[in-house]
Amino acid sequence: DGGITQSPKYLFRKEGQNVTLSCEQNLNHDAMYWYRQDPGQGLRLIYYSQIVNDFQKGDIAEGYSVSREKKESFPLTVTSAQKNPTAFYLCATGQYYGYTFGSGTRLTVV
Amino acid sequence: SQQGEEDPQALSIQEGENATMNCSYKTSINNLQWYRQNSGRGLVHLILIRSNEREKHSGRLRVTLDTSKKSSSLLITASRAADTASYFCATDDNQGGKLIFGQGTELSVKP
Repeated sequence: DGGITQSPKYLFRKEGQNVTLSCEQNLNHDAMYWYRQDPGQGLRLIYYSQIVNDFQKGDIAEGYSVSREKKESFPLTVTSAQKNPTAFYLCATGQYYGYTFGSGTRLTVV
Repeated sequence: SQQGEEDPQALSIQEGENATMNCSYKTSINNLQWYRQNSGRGLVHLILIRSNEREKHSGRLRVTLDTSKKSSSLLITASRAADTASYFCATDDNQGGKLIFGQGTELSVKP
């Protein structure tokens, strides 16, 4: 998907588990974003990072954590504190003039 | 915080017809963008219109922007079955690069 890769495509989580979603980009962009999408709904911002070693909470950060140790990578951890994690997760990179999105990770609680 | 709201939520048309989707937003913007999402995939950037522009074209896409009404429309002419997807508008938040997305319009083009 245009230089940004999300993995895995499907992920299953047991109750009480933490899981980590991967997002890697080779577009040399400073900014990266994580969104959550529920069925039939729009995108809600979880976390974003505009520079390495710095990140900010979005609208629905509770139950999630991120790190930004490298410019290319912005992994998202869904913790056990997130009570309703089943959703489609999208990573994006870019600036105000346009984002490039990954192909998404579908997370299901089993 | 949801900035944009699309209308209608769902639209079903026949191949060859035109499809029009509308987006309203609440605060001042630098630009407005439209994205497309095929089922189960990521979003793809379609077109950007700046706040000082009123209309923009790209292939079969025409976007208009009315900043006085805080609204935009996306017109897809001569639609094809392959245009079936969800379409989202997005606006910048005037705070350094974050985009805020609307709820989307689900377009179904029947052959």
